Amino acid sequence: DTEVTQTPKHLVMGMTNKKSLKCEQHMGHRAMYWYKQKAKKPPELMFVYSYEKLSINESVPSRFSPECPNSSLLNLHLHALQPEDSALYLCASSPYMGQGLAKNIQYFGAGTRLSVL
Amino acid sequence: SQQGEEDPQALSIQEGENATMNCSYKTSINNLQWYRQNSGRGLVHLILIRSNEREKHSGRLRVTLDTSKKSSSLLITASRAADTASYFCATVAATDSWGKFQFGAGTQVVVTP
Repeated sequence: DTEVTQTPKHLVMGMTNKKSLKCEQHMGHRAMYWYKQKAKKPPELMFVYSYEKLSINESVPSRFSPECPNSSLLNLHLHALQPEDSALYLCASSPYMGQGLAKNIQYFGAGTRLSVL
Repeated sequence: SQQGEEDPQALSIQEGENATMNCSYKTSINNLQWYRQNSGRGLVHLILIRSNEREKHSGRLRVTLDTSKKSSSLLITASRAADTASYFCATVAATDSWGKFQFGAGTQVVVTP
């Protein structure tokens, strides 16, 4: 099973709402990632968890709050978002993070299309 | 910041033709990967080439890597309508112990029947 599952597929929220994005993988991967992608742009890294610990936060605003409850699950909690946060949010996983070996392929979910009104 | 640049930004071809896109990067790398993204979907890994390799094939895909020029090319032969997608190169700087991906800007490929 090489699947990364993201829910929901679409989300519309107001600027005062609180919502969460969920991501799940059962490949035994120890690194999990959140990316934000605007239309016709490459993905931008937001957060990386390695062995369930937050390893990288790319100076993301605090209205985005990641959580890794266990090695298979990754959440992204959203609060008081702005319209400019509307984007495709992608979750990815890889066997590990770092430069240990030449291979570090990332497996991506289908994404959550978020619209902030 | 994005390390990779890709050209062309967009490519429109007919089924059966070949599609070639290029990626340039700025720092030394250990490997370079290519990913495909269908509209509004996640990225799918296509192929990885190590820094000590010059060419690699996978089905209808051919990737080259020139570390002296810090560039790579992806060739899709005998294109099909299903190849319509955006293609991104991804690199990790050799000095980056975290292994963070640097994506190129992407090439949008449209294959018309």
